[in-house]
Amino acid sequence: EVQLLESGGGLVHPGGSLRLSCSASGFTFSTYGMSWVRQAPGKGLEWVSGISSTGDSTYFADSVKGRFTISRDNSKNALYLQMNSLTAEDTAVYYCAKFTINWYYFEYWGQGTLVTVSS
Amino acid sequence: EIVLTQSPGTLSLSPGERATLSCRASQSVSRHYIAWYQQKAGQAPRLLIYAASSRATGVPDRFSGSGSGTDFTLTISRLEPEDFAVYHCQQYESSPRRFTFGPGTKVDIK
Repeated sequence: EVQLLESGGGLVHPGGSLRLSCSASGFTFSTYGMSWVRQAPGKGLEWVSGISSTGDSTYFADSVKGRFTISRDNSKNALYLQMNSLTAEDTAVYYCAKFTINWYYFEYWGQGTLVTVSS
Repeated sequence: EIVLTQSPGTLSLSPGERATLSCRASQSVSRHYIAWYQQKAGQAPRLLIYAASSRATGVPDRFSGSGSGTDFTLTISRLEPEDFAVYHCQQYESSPRRFTFGPGTKVDIK
């Protein structure tokens, strides 16, 4: 059974930083691209970032480019999202998601971790 | 950037009724790049339909997808109590690589 477990969310001041983690199990982690998708309170889904299976290629939404970094450690079956220069607009539940093998869709999702940016 | 629009915003129906949800793209999208997700209150999204019309593993056959070009549809043939949720469509662009979601359609109990 595929399981994705996010951690690291919390309250952070504007301009601050936070690092999210996602622990994966139930599949061969090193074979699949991974992603972060967020959902602001009461809003729709927004893709944030994606990373290839090897970690060599990364992709970002324009809204976070230059502020967020995505990385992975295949030896630990772990995905990370480093978030810097946070603003209130980054307040959301952040989901870790596993891509399908072709990268087109989000096949499995974690339960999410809430990030609140507020003074 | 391709923008997805979903209609209606809210669909109020009774169990047993048929639900028809629309997703419209601002420009033509390959049907291979269209997916639908179900999200129940307080839960993560779940992949329902991929490649516009293929059901994901474990999805009941009352869910079906169709469409091409700019217009895509998710149909729930007979609503079960567990189907009342928000449904999101999603598309993939290859160059640059990015993913876009529609704003969602909420199916609630009439």
